[in-house]
Amino acid sequence: GESVGLHLPTLSVQEGDNSIINCAYSNSASDYFIWYKQESGKGPQFIIDIRSNMDKRQGQRVTVLLNKTVKHLSLQIAATQPGDSAVYFCAEKWGKSGGGADGLTFGKGTHLIIQP
Amino acid sequence: EPEVTQTPSHQVTQMGQEVILRCVPISNHLYFYWYRQILGQKVEFLVSFYNNEISEKSEIFDDQFSVERPDGSNFTLKIRSTKLEDSAMYFCASKQGLDEKLFFGSGTQLSVL
Repeated sequence: GESVGLHLPTLSVQEGDNSIINCAYSNSASDYFIWYKQESGKGPQFIIDIRSNMDKRQGQRVTVLLNKTVKHLSLQIAATQPGDSAVYFCAEKWGKSGGGADGLTFGKGTHLIIQP
Repeated sequence: EPEVTQTPSHQVTQMGQEVILRCVPISNHLYFYWYRQILGQKVEFLVSFYNNEISEKSEIFDDQFSVERPDGSNFTLKIRSTKLEDSAMYFCASKQGLDEKLFFGSGTQLSVL
């Protein structure tokens, strides 16, 4: 079946370092990808998104890269801070209808640990 | 900043009982969703709702599940006869338009005993 997954379950980085979280997707028809951050006991929080007609998008301290050739998505976080500690999920749009009320397929998540 | 609110934050019920999970989406949003997350697992899509009807639903969303928008502000998920495996965190989400980003609530932790 088609799915979205992550390469590493846990990533530990030193505070101030840059981190890269990777995601592989298998649905070549997906046209929209999102990174979410989930802190303990909270709902997923939108970080950044990218459409399939782009290969890079930057936000505040975050960059998402999309490589459609190898179906790979990554999230780069610059100068990590203690508040960046969370589980990070990539998600793709899989909607079958054209109405836009489409569901997202999430990966399993990578737990990012920021060490002091 | 506006947010999606969910109540209760934690619901405990006996197997076979009906539960209703409540959500108030962001007020000018038009697309509504329920997702769930079993402990330690990934977030799973249940159902999407637009224009007062279900748009998409997953295999998880069987006949025991139903959704309703009873008024202009609430969006509910009903589980008719709960099973042990329904224990999970249930997230409501909404978005304003077709290409807008999705906002999640903080979830309702459902525990079926």
